[in-house]
Amino acid sequence: DIQLTQSPSSLSASVGDRVTITCRASQSVSVFLNWYQQKPGKAPNLLIYAASSLQSGVPSRFSGSGSETDFTLTISSLQPDDFATYYCQQSYITSWTFGQGTKVDIK
Amino acid sequence: EVHLVESGGGLVQPGGSLRLSCAASGFTFSSYWMSWVRQAPGKGLEWVASIKQDGSEKYFVGSVEGRFTISRDNAKNSLDLQMNSLRAEDTALYYCARTHDPRGWGIRTFDYWGQGTLVTVSS
Repeated sequence: DIQLTQSPSSLSASVGDRVTITCRASQSVSVFLNWYQQKPGKAPNLLIYAASSLQSGVPSRFSGSGSETDFTLTISSLQPDDFATYYCQQSYITSWTFGQGTKVDIK
Repeated sequence: EVHLVESGGGLVQPGGSLRLSCAASGFTFSSYWMSWVRQAPGKGLEWVASIKQDGSEKYFVGSVEGRFTISRDNAKNSLDLQMNSLRAEDTALYYCARTHDPRGWGIRTFDYWGQGTLVTVSS
């Protein structure tokens, strides 16, 4: 199975901060990498697919980049609604896997 | 509007069985792969199983292979997960998720999710 390792596991940030979360794959996944946001008690929400494509309806402050083994999710200016846990997910090889998550909370 | 509603969760003893169902509406069910994703209490997300539009391909995470089966009824817009030989480590909130390939070349995304049904395996 392909392992996805996110860093950091948690971070504290303030409204307006630029936030970057990384996801490293144990082997190349090309651009078969997606990002999700999950708020407490809610189902996850797809943010980014194919490494850098913004899902319809997702604010443009979210962006993704990367390929092969190294990927980044960036929030350009953190908003109150963005405090949540973020997961990466690969679909390059079926047994699809998620990263362990990065919790973003208020500083 | 896409709507996914899971049911069938509950408390079951180790070694027991449970059948989860997902009722879908608001989209052409037969045109999409469908999946189950679970989340143990306080833990991260884990993909469990997926099924192709016509049911001809099915995939499972290794830890449930041989114990869980996935099926669908396109006439009823429903997805099922039959779980046998349940273990304590299967305890989780089970989500039904529409599985979409937005580029048409294998990028599998979980673009719509239900609210989940809780499975607790305990004696």
